Amino acid sequence: QSALTQPASVSGSPGQSITISCTGTSSDVGGYNYVSWYQRHPDKAPKLMIYDVTNRPSGISNRFSGSKSGNTASLTISGLQAEDEADYFCSSYTSSHALGVVFGGGTKLTVL
Amino acid sequence: QVQLVQSGPEVKKPGASVKVSCKAPRYIFSDYYMHWVRQAPGQGLEWMGVIDPSGGRATYSQKFQGRVTMTTDTSTGTLYMDLSRLSSEDTAFYYCASRKVGDKYFDLWGRGTLVTVSS
Repeated sequence: QSALTQPASVSGSPGQSITISCTGTSSDVGGYNYVSWYQRHPDKAPKLMIYDVTNRPSGISNRFSGSKSGNTASLTISGLQAEDEADYFCSSYTSSHALGVVFGGGTKLTVL
Repeated sequence: QVQLVQSGPEVKKPGASVKVSCKAPRYIFSDYYMHWVRQAPGQGLEWMGVIDPSGGRATYSQKFQGRVTMTTDTSTGTLYMDLSRLSSEDTAFYYCASRKVGDKYFDLWGRGTLVTVSS
């Protein structure tokens, strides 16, 4: 059982928007603006998509956006494309360990 | 292309040890930490610990304390994660992931190393 809760799967058609949630507690997601999101395609290294809740690294499409409300963070992908089909997982700083981190279980995005 | 290059898949018997390597670009050895994370089949990701690549000081998750050792070889630019007394529950993908000092996210990941523990 993961520390952060994500839906196991979401799906959407090309051009649509989807949102993936990531629910934690006040000791992690709710307590700090340190949520990050990663994309993982099969047999590839995970890739940072969003950091510090809302920020996009250089080179990441603005179709990807992040937000947070209370203990739940969200990743929204707009204008879905076939290449967006992948696993997405969230991560958060946690106060329970000085250098530690907690993760979500991951969400499989299917582009129909 | 900047990347973390991990060693290949391993098959081990229960009770054995495994050593996974992660070759990193030189800049990682200054102002970065290297974390190790694993994901067992059907499970979420699990943080195992972190090492300062330049100094070699490591901090481990309480769950793995006593069984895991993280080391660094600055001469070859390679980091290692050694896990002992393996059981079937250690079957998982093991990832190295870098994080800059002061940041709270991982900017670079390895592709993962599958470790299978089976008799």
